[in-house]
Amino acid sequence: AQSVTQPDIHITVSEGASLELRCNYSYGATPYLFWYVQSPGQGLQLLLKYFSGDTLVQGIKGFEAEFKRSQSSFNLRKPSVHWSDAAEYFCAVAGGTGFQKLVFGTGTRLLVSP
Amino acid sequence: DAGVIQSPRHEVTEMGQEVTLRCKPISGHDYLFWYRQTMMRGLELLIYFNNNVPIDDSGMPEDRFSAKMPNASFSTLKIQPSEPRDSAVYFCASSLTGDLYFGPGTRLTVT
Repeated sequence: AQSVTQPDIHITVSEGASLELRCNYSYGATPYLFWYVQSPGQGLQLLLKYFSGDTLVQGIKGFEAEFKRSQSSFNLRKPSVHWSDAAEYFCAVAGGTGFQKLVFGTGTRLLVSP
Repeated sequence: DAGVIQSPRHEVTEMGQEVTLRCKPISGHDYLFWYRQTMMRGLELLIYFNNNVPIDDSGMPEDRFSAKMPNASFSTLKIQPSEPRDSAVYFCASSLTGDLYFGPGTRLTVT
């Protein structure tokens, strides 16, 4: 079965600095990979996804992620963080069954300092 | 579109009571999912439907939990009887193309 590890529970970044959130997955074949963001009291919103093709995917709000098969990773990046990016970020993986059975990581809470 | 609508947003009930959570998916979406979020277990898929038919309920914790989707625009998740360990945020999500759209969630507190 597929699984996801987000090793960082909390990350604090200064506003304007770059951001990288780590995600490692476990799955025997090429996975479907997703990043979601959850603001306090809100549901999850899809930032970006990787199904196949170009390993660097662009998402909404200026985020991007790179799929690295050799490292089983799908790290999320943003070149310049805004205070409004403070939220919880979830990486998710789906296996051969497709998106129907997403497995989510435990999340990384991003704090943005002035 | 208004997005996925869930009601109520907050529910406080006493142990042993029946709880019904409601969801209206985005019009035209053919998949509907129920997730539960807790600090201890994170986000867990409880059950999902395709074209109103339950496809996989392996995540439903026990027989106290049941879910229905009588038509394409409405689903319920029922807990009977409720227990304090059921306290969590319950999310409904819908999808057409593989992108899940989540509702705002129902925060359930069972005392």
